[in-house]
Amino acid sequence: QLQLQESGPGLVKPPETLSLTCTVSGGSTSSSSYSWGWIRQPPGKGLEWIGSSSYSGSSYYNPSLKSRVTMSVDTSKNQFSLRLSSVTAADTAVYYCARLPRDGYIYGHYFDYWGQGTLVTVSS
Amino acid sequence: QSALTQPASVSGSPGQSITISCTGTSSDVGSYNLVSWYQHYPGKAPKLMIYAGSERPSGVSNRFSASKSGNTASLTISGLQPEDEADYYCFSYAGSSTWVFGGGTKLTVL
Repeated sequence: QLQLQESGPGLVKPPETLSLTCTVSGGSTSSSSYSWGWIRQPPGKGLEWIGSSSYSGSSYYNPSLKSRVTMSVDTSKNQFSLRLSSVTAADTAVYYCARLPRDGYIYGHYFDYWGQGTLVTVSS
Repeated sequence: QSALTQPASVSGSPGQSITISCTGTSSDVGSYNLVSWYQHYPGKAPKLMIYAGSERPSGVSNRFSASKSGNTASLTISGLQPEDEADYYCFSYAGSSTWVFGGGTKLTVL
């Protein structure tokens, strides 16, 4: 059974960089059949797509976050990561990592497995 | 890139059917059959209910179905049960390697 687990600091000071890692077990981040993504949910608000990455290094980001986001996949550790720079209180949210099956497409278009989420608070 | 439009809340009694709409534009929902739907209980990981417009993953009840007309996708839950009470989100490809969620709908089972 595939499992994803987010890890990283629960508190980040503005305007530092938020860094999260998602560790995958029961599956491989080197598989060409999947992309890997990050989603967040600010308190009391809805879900927001942050970005998606593939093992090949291609990454796609939400235009509203693109200037501050970097995602990567580390196949040797079976992990993928998120870095969000210059954070503000508006970046306080539960951050989820998830898998996207490609199903023959260039990209994955839906999330079939999710991590449990990790709350990151941005505060000085 | 704007969030897809969903009603903030819908409600229904046990046994009834409800429909949640997800309205986008001709650049996202209207152009691709790539809408997915997620059920989300607070504090839990979202769960995939529908993908590729109308496909149900293994293990998801056939009480959940979805369709699309023009720029609006819809999720229908029939035979409403108390455990269906949750937040529901749609998600769609929006072109140019971007994707967008709906604002979310809170389903209350009366």
